[in-house]
Amino acid sequence: ETGVTQSPTHLIKTRGQQVTLRCSSQSGHNTVSWYQQALGQGPQFIFQYYREEENGRGNFPPRFSGLQFPNYSSELNVNALELDDSALYLCASTLDRGDEKLFFGSGTQLSVL
Amino acid sequence: GQSLEQPSEVTAVEGAIVQINCTYQTSGFYGLSWYQQHDGGAPTFLSYNALDGLEETGRFSSFLSRSDSYGYLLLQELQMKDSASYFCAVSGYSTLTFGKGTMLLVSP
Repeated sequence: ETGVTQSPTHLIKTRGQQVTLRCSSQSGHNTVSWYQQALGQGPQFIFQYYREEENGRGNFPPRFSGLQFPNYSSELNVNALELDDSALYLCASTLDRGDEKLFFGSGTQLSVL
Repeated sequence: GQSLEQPSEVTAVEGAIVQINCTYQTSGFYGLSWYQQHDGGAPTFLSYNALDGLEETGRFSSFLSRSDSYGYLLLQELQMKDSASYFCAVSGYSTLTFGKGTMLLVSP
C-alpha cells in the first residue's frame, strides 16, 4: 500500500470527449507525475508537477494537461479523446522534486471507443 | 531522446538466480531505477543507482556501469511471488523514461 489513490479505477469514453482523472498523493509529497501505460509497454512520462507548477513534460500533445492542488491532490485532463488514448494512467508521488523513489497509485484504466 | 533495451521475457525456477539486463541511450543521465509490477498492479520501486557499482537490498541487487550505459537487476532465491514485470528506468532532469519491461515467469 503506497498511500497514493486514483479515481476512478475504470472509465469508458467515446472519441472526441474530454476526461478528468484524479490522484491523491501520499501525505507530505510535494511532487506528482503522471504516466500513460499501454498494454504490454512500460509507463510513458506525461508530465510532472512540483508545488502546483508543471516542472517537466514528456512527448505528449497540449490536449494532455494537469493541475496540482495544495492538498496534495492532482488531476490529469485529456481533451478531444482519441482511440489511441486507451491505456492505464498512473500517477506517482515523491517526497520532493529530486527524490528518485516514486510511489505509484494503481491507476485508472481508460477505454476510448 | 532516451531509449532503453531490456529482454522481453525471462523464465526461471524457484530458488534460482536470474539477471535482467538493461542498456540505455540517453542525452541526460542522473541514474537508473528498477520497478516491479504485478499483473493489474501498481509499479513498485525496487532500487536506484546513481553511481557505478552494486547496490544490494535483501534478495535483490542492482548494478550500474555508466561508462557502458548498462545496468542489471539480480534476483536471488527466486520465489513464485517474484513472477511479475520488471522495468528499468532512466532519470533525466525532471523526467523518467521506462523500458518496455521484462516479464519474469518463475516456475516450481
